[in-house]
Amino acid sequence: GAVVSQHPSRVICKSGTSVKIECRSLDFQATTMFWYRQFPKKSLMLMATSNEGSKATYEQGVEKDKFLINHASLTLSTLTVTSAHPEDSSFYICSARDRLLAGGYNEQFFGPGTRLTVL
Amino acid sequence: GNSVTQMEGPVTLSEEAFLTINCTYTATGYPSLFWYVQYPGEGLQLLLKATKADDKGSNKGFEATYRKETTSFHLEKGSVQVSDSAVYFCALSPTGAGSYQLTFGKGTKLSVIP
Repeated sequence: GAVVSQHPSRVICKSGTSVKIECRSLDFQATTMFWYRQFPKKSLMLMATSNEGSKATYEQGVEKDKFLINHASLTLSTLTVTSAHPEDSSFYICSARDRLLAGGYNEQFFGPGTRLTVL
Repeated sequence: GNSVTQMEGPVTLSEEAFLTINCTYTATGYPSLFWYVQYPGEGLQLLLKATKADDKGSNKGFEATYRKETTSFHLEKGSVQVSDSAVYFCALSPTGAGSYQLTFGKGTKLSVIP
């Protein structure tokens, strides 16, 4: 089946620094990748939708200058949390949509998530 | 807008008990419906899906039937195992070209005890 990886799985950083999280589709080309944030005991909140070669579309309330998304290829999207603060601590999950399934049902394949802790 | 409501947990069951996690949705048209499972420390995995009314999705002993008349997609399993302990998310995706964003419920944590 389709596999999506994320790196790193865990990161601890100091307040004010920037952190980059990578999301890769390992055995398929992803037309679209999504970035979610998950708070403890809460559901996933869609942050942005990333299409290869174009600017990401951010959901209402998500600061695009703080959460920079780059989707440079059909297999890689990155999320950079700039000038991170403790309130940015969360579990970040990416998902990818298979280009070859673009005409089929709307399944997304999820990465294992990245736990970000900002001190 | 679209929304998904699922029963709040946590749910604690003994091994081999019957499981039902309720899920109802609000959406226009006929969305695709999904159940995802998240094991501790991991991302989400698709458990099962249904893309049209009266479809039944099934996987690993879990089942859910797409009920248009009650706008529901309840998850059931006849006999749970300790390994089923996880958080379960109900989700929908609208139909139509370019409509592939997922809307999730808040998740239901299931703990199965021996």
